[in-house]
Amino acid sequence: QSELTQPPSASGTPGQRVIISCSGSNSNIRYNTVNWFQQLPGTAPKRLMYSNSQRPPGVPDRFSGSKSGTSATLAISGLQSEDEADYYCAVWDDSLNGWVFGGGTKLTVL
Amino acid sequence: EVQLVESGGGAVRPGGSLRLSCTPSGFTFDDYGMNWVRQVPGKGLEWVSGIDWNGARTAYAEYVKGRFTISRDNAKNSLYLQMNSLTAEDTALYYCAREGFDYWGQGTLVTVSS
Repeated sequence: QSELTQPPSASGTPGQRVIISCSGSNSNIRYNTVNWFQQLPGTAPKRLMYSNSQRPPGVPDRFSGSKSGTSATLAISGLQSEDEADYYCAVWDDSLNGWVFGGGTKLTVL
Repeated sequence: EVQLVESGGGAVRPGGSLRLSCTPSGFTFDDYGMNWVRQVPGKGLEWVSGIDWNGARTAYAEYVKGRFTISRDNAKNSLYLQMNSLTAEDTALYYCAREGFDYWGQGTLVTVSS
């Protein structure tokens, strides 16, 4: 069981806005920055967001991230079929002295 | 272009050992810390271990402490993961990832089975 809790699944129709949550604790999310990753089927993960809300070059501005307290969220607006993937949050945990990943959320575009 | 290429995976018996390697290109290797992350097929991502730029500091997930050792050879431009006392639960695709997880390799598959 992961230190970070994500919903196992999420879905939306093209054009909709979807939010994926990541719930942690005082030892991880509260005092450290959150990363988000997208993993398309059969491929390696790709960093989608860092420092809670920063998009790497090439990531569309349809993706946005935020953090409040011990939770973080990834929002995807203008949902597209190519957004169908698994999404993971990750953060450093001060108690474990290591990185922790959420269990992942499988996003389905209906 | 930044690339990370893992190698060394394969099939091994329970209790056996393997050494994974990660060969980077396209960036100055000794400017960055590195990580190993694994993924059981069909399951989520698990951080395994990390090392700083010169190997002075390492960190491990609890479930591999005492069994796995991360190391690097900056002169050879290589990252390693020595895995001992392997169990079936270590069966996974092992990725190396650069500090910050901004670049990932394609992974090398480790299968532990009798």
